[in-house]
Formats: sequence, structure tokens, C-alpha cells
Amino acid sequence: DAKTTQPPSMDCAEGRAANLPCNHSTISGNEYVYWYRQIHSQGPQYIIHGLKNNETNEMASLIITEDRKSSTLILPHATLRDTAVYYCIVRGRYNAGKSTFGDGTTLTVKP
Amino acid sequence: EAGVVQSPRYKIIEKKQPVAFWCNPISGHNTLYWYRQNLGQGPELLIRYENEEAVDDSQLPKDRFSAERLKGVDSTLKIQPAELGDSAVYLCASSLEARMSPLHFGNGTRLTVT
Repeated sequence: DAKTTQPPSMDCAEGRAANLPCNHSTISGNEYVYWYRQIHSQGPQYIIHGLKNNETNEMASLIITEDRKSSTLILPHATLRDTAVYYCIVRGRYNAGKSTFGDGTTLTVKP
Repeated sequence: EAGVVQSPRYKIIEKKQPVAFWCNPISGHNTLYWYRQNLGQGPELLIRYENEEAVDDSQLPKDRFSAERLKGVDSTLKIQPAELGDSAVYLCASSLEARMSPLHFGNGTRLTVT
């Protein structure tokens, strides 16, 4: 399975964009990039996913590099409630159940 | 739609005692997952069901852990006997189908073994 690498922690000022990077250099052609976040004492929450095109939804934007070896999750206007652990995982048609979460990035949004 | 429901929310037991966790997935979701999350770490997959069939249980410690999913809906994860190292949060997730649908997680059961 493709593994992901994320920085252990990041800070962001409230109201500013939070850009969370993820490296997945061993991603294969049929694997998607998924992002989840986990707020304290809750289960992980799905944010967004993509294959090779940039994606946007009401929560965030996902930018995937052309070679697909890395991606960035963008929270355009971070709020205090966005403070959480963010997980980037890769998941494909043939390994859907084996996705490895890793330890994620702890994002702290500061006032 | 109602989310994934897990119970109990918290459980404290003494070592060597049995314990069971229950999960009710989102209606219509045929794939169900059990994860274990240790403090400060990401979730680790224990077992995955497609309908009532366990299709991936390679990470389940089968000497003490067991799981079932009756009629392809609710699921129960059991530990017998529990050990101190089993203290963790046990998360259940479900998805429409295994391959590409996002996982929807419950809020987990926090197990403390004393």
C-alpha cells in the first residue's frame, strides 16, 4: 500500500488559510488521496478526496501535484473549530480496506 | 441521515475480564470496519466486513479478539480475556461499498483495562 508522510504539527492564525501538506510518493495509478480530520473525543470525519484533479467542496480544497506524489489540503478561512488532527491516506480499488492512517498532522488554529 | 452509532461510549474493566463493543452502521452501508486507535496514533484496521463476510481480518489478534456481523447490519467486537495493552479507542466505520466510498466513523468506545 502507498504510505503517506505528514508533518506532525502545524499552527495557523484564525481567519487565514491553512495549508496541510502530504507526501505519497509511492502512490499507484488507481489510488485516490483521501483526507479526514479528527476532533478530540470524536471519530475521524471525511473531508475530501481526489484522484488527480484538484477538488473543492464546502469544507476544503484539495490540490494534487501533477506527478501525484504529494497533495495539499487547504482550509481557506481557518476557525478555532478547525483545530484537529488531519489524516491523509491513499486508498485504491484493490486495497480499500487496508488504508494506513499514520499519525496525521495536528493543526492548531490560534486566535 | 443517522450516523454510525457505537456503544458503550466508555468501558472500564479489570484485566482478564471479557468486553464487547457494538456498532450500528449507516443504513444501506454494506461495508463495515473495526479500527483500534491508541493514544496519539492514527486508527489501525482490525477487521473489514462486506455484508456478513469478514473479508480482511489479518490484523485481528484472533487468540483473544472475535467479531461478528449478523445479517450484514450490526456488528459486535469482543475481547476475551482483556489485557492491559488493549486499552484504546475502538472505532467502527461503514461505507457504501468497499472500494471508493468515504468511510463514516462512529465516535468510538474508549476502553480502559486496569
